[in-house]
Amino acid sequence: AQSVAQPEDQVNVAEGNPLTVKCTYSVSGNPYLFWYVQYPNRGLQFLLKYITGDNLVKGSYGFEAEFNKSQTSFHLKKPSALVSDSALYFCAAGGRSNDYKLSFGAGTTVTVRA
Amino acid sequence: ETGVTQSPTHLIKTRGQQVTLRCSSQSGHNTVSWYQQALGQGPQFIFQYYREEENGRGNFPPRFSGLQFPNYSSELNVNALELDDSALYLCASSLKVLGGGASDTQYFGPGTRLTVL
Repeated sequence: AQSVAQPEDQVNVAEGNPLTVKCTYSVSGNPYLFWYVQYPNRGLQFLLKYITGDNLVKGSYGFEAEFNKSQTSFHLKKPSALVSDSALYFCAAGGRSNDYKLSFGAGTTVTVRA
Repeated sequence: ETGVTQSPTHLIKTRGQQVTLRCSSQSGHNTVSWYQQALGQGPQFIFQYYREEENGRGNFPPRFSGLQFPNYSSELNVNALELDDSALYLCASSLKVLGGGASDTQYFGPGTRLTVL
């Protein structure tokens, strides 16, 4: 069975500092990995995905993520965080064995202080 | 905005009742997936519909059922509501291409908040 872990419930950073949100996954075969962001009382907003190719994936709003197959990780990063990045972030994974149905992590709340 | 719409926004039901939630997919998409997001948790996959047929189901009992219509909109029906069914129900649409699947990015609607009393 596939699964996703986000080891940190909360991440707090100062505006302008680098932001990292961690994610590890367990998927049979090649994984397909996604990051979504959720603002209060809203649905999930797609940020970026890794399917194949370059291990560094660039997405919306200056976010990027690095796929590391040996560590089964897909950490989300942003070089310089903004207060408006404060939200709930979800990592999701799918694989061919499960017909790409997504499994989500429990989420990480990011707070960026001014 | 993704173009995926859901109705109603909020709903309050009592235990034992039945509920129907609706989702309109993004233009050009042919696949709808439904998720349950309990408070403080990540979304849990309920089922997916592709071309009006169920295409995979998560660990949810049969009282959770769905439909997809020719225009690719979808309904989620829940019978015999239980208190634990209280959650945000999310619909996501995507374009499934034969032989593809891996690149099917799912775009989510705003959700329906269901409260069961």
